[in-house]
Amino acid sequence: DTGVSQDPRHKITKRGQNVTFRCDPISEHNRLYWYRQTLGQGPEFLTYFQNEAQLEKSRLLSDRFSAERPKGSFSTLEIQRTEQGDSAMYLCASSGTGYSPLHFGNGTRLTVT
Amino acid sequence: TQLLEQSPQFLSIQEGENLTVYCNSSSVFSSLQWYRQEPGEGPVLLVTVVTGGEVKKLKRLTFQFGDARKDSSLHITAAQPGDTGLYLCAGTYRSRDSGYALNFGKGTSLLVTP
Repeated sequence: DTGVSQDPRHKITKRGQNVTFRCDPISEHNRLYWYRQTLGQGPEFLTYFQNEAQLEKSRLLSDRFSAERPKGSFSTLEIQRTEQGDSAMYLCASSGTGYSPLHFGNGTRLTVT
Repeated sequence: TQLLEQSPQFLSIQEGENLTVYCNSSSVFSSLQWYRQEPGEGPVLLVTVVTGGEVKKLKRLTFQFGDARKDSSLHITAAQPGDTGLYLCAGTYRSRDSGYALNFGKGTSLLVTP
């Protein structure tokens, strides 16, 4: 088990472009979470999957954001028509059942110029 | 949204000093977790507390969950430079779709200087 991995680690894009991030969770974990974190702040919840079902989406997640977990394994987070305010660290985490702790990846740092 | 307030936001102390970080909410949480995050990395779990009044110790770190399960504290004894990092509390609650979601506080940024 290599933990949660995220790709890419860094992404620089121009405003208006689309970007897609990938997260590979710990293999036996059925829950997968996406968070966004800006400098000096705690992670803000974006969305959550249990297996392939997307169970909750934050109001922070505008229509430009979409997340999928097609086979209940890896997940992708796409941002369309990026804006400078989208610049942040995007963190993925996975967990088991009940109150299992979240295991985080090291994030994808997005910079929108 | 169930909000968690952490205080202080920033803390700079010298090696060997003691400190306490607080996490407060008006909501009751099913459980509360403390994480530590270093620059460029994801948060790493330190402890989970579930029962009101629970106290857990992890070497020089002592965690307490309030009796009403609305607040928690983290006390570090004899801080060391290696304790430097962002300390985050996170509360677990049942989401609308009956899953479990985790809300984070804004964190306490701790700097321990030699």
